Amino acid sequence: GAVVSQHPSWVICKSGTSVKIECRSLDFQATTMFWYRQFPKQSLMLMATSNEGSKATYEQGVEKDKFLINHASLTLSTLTVTSAHPEDSSFYICSATRATAYEQYFGPGTRLTVT
Amino acid sequence: ELKVEQNPLFLSMQEGKNYTIYCNYSTTSDRLYWYRQDPGKSLESLFVLLSNGAVKQEGRLMASLDTKARLSTLHITAAVHDLSATYFCAVPSNSGYALNFGKGTSLLVTP
Repeated sequence: GAVVSQHPSWVICKSGTSVKIECRSLDFQATTMFWYRQFPKQSLMLMATSNEGSKATYEQGVEKDKFLINHASLTLSTLTVTSAHPEDSSFYICSATRATAYEQYFGPGTRLTVT
Repeated sequence: ELKVEQNPLFLSMQEGKNYTIYCNYSTTSDRLYWYRQDPGKSLESLFVLLSNGAVKQEGRLMASLDTKARLSTLHITAAVHDLSATYFCAVPSNSGYALNFGKGTSLLVTP
């Protein structure tokens, strides 16, 4: 159990366009979902924390108007990269937690390339 | 600000050898996580350490946690090539949920 999926697994888009990435908890209700970004050869950096039905909490330095997060249900959170630029090219990974568990369950990641 | 430091960042070791990866963190935490990441892939959970003195073993990997020293170790016994990957330790943030990751240890096991 505790499977998290992401869609798409990879996406290529042109500079200036927007891209939406979905994160779903398949077999449990996720009270909280997290979005991380990982550049090549680097560690994961937390972008934002998302709770169902409320506004996401963004980490310092992450533009909330550029990275729109919607957590409409207990099984789905979406990250929209608006007006994407080549420097937004990265590996985006979501994770989800259950209310009573310490474990974070990570999705398979979405590789975004902006040309 | 919570800092999580791993060392070494790069490790090349021969098959059959033993080695230890260290993870230090800067603030109080009673939980620590170890993950494995293969190239181009997401994270695979290895261990969740939930208390001081916790020790967990899975195959050739053993992890321990000393909350007083703010130190965790990941010990590799008789390394094999399949263990080649990047290993991350992570500590919960002050909010208790989001994880702060170390920079990762890139492990290469050679014949």
